[in-house]
Amino acid sequence: SAVISQKPSRDICQRGTSLTIQCQVDSQVTMMFWYRQQPGQSLTLIATANQGSEATYESGFVIDKFPISRPNLTFSTLTVSNMSPEDSSIYLCSVEVSVEQFFGPGTRLTVL
Amino acid sequence: EDKVVQSPLSLVVHEGDTVTLNCSYEVTNFRSLLWYKQEKKAPTFLFMLTSSGIEKKSGRLSSILDKKELFSILNITATQTGDSAIYLCAVERYRSNTGNQFYFGTGTSLTVIP
Repeated sequence: SAVISQKPSRDICQRGTSLTIQCQVDSQVTMMFWYRQQPGQSLTLIATANQGSEATYESGFVIDKFPISRPNLTFSTLTVSNMSPEDSSIYLCSVEVSVEQFFGPGTRLTVL
Repeated sequence: EDKVVQSPLSLVVHEGDTVTLNCSYEVTNFRSLLWYKQEKKAPTFLFMLTSSGIEKKSGRLSSILDKKELFSILNITATQTGDSAIYLCAVERYRSNTGNQFYFGTGTSLTVIP
């Protein structure tokens, strides 16, 4: 199994600012995933973060808007840049261990 | 286009009822189908299915996959108020270079009333 923590758990931000979300895992994992869950919708994969290489972004998401760092096998950050109200969402970090996918508690972001 | 569709979107039942949640998919390079329960923020894992016709069971929950017809069902018997949650279906797609990808359905919101 894997225990994942995220910081912050929630934040309220002004439009035009940026927020960096941290994800810490209690074991070393190769890949970490960042998801977004907008109100009333399901999870959408933003990007996959591999240690030592550039993150792979899904269609509709770009590095300039969502830069990701993966400095080691237990940690990753996702930055939401130049925020707008449309970025209000829950952001979840996830890892795959064996055949199971584990999720962090999420970061609830509200952009005013 | 890869997609995962769940039905119904929402369901309200009384305690003790049995419910069946549906998940159909169209995903290339299928690897597995997963069910999650989401109560607050983070989804919690329920089942992973890779083979057709083999039922997975955990307490009052069970699930089965049909890879020919491209769907899965999640059954909950003798429902309790604690079963109230959003149930998410996800399909894992194999990708050779960039890591496997999970496609999530929009979920079924289940409300169990006493």
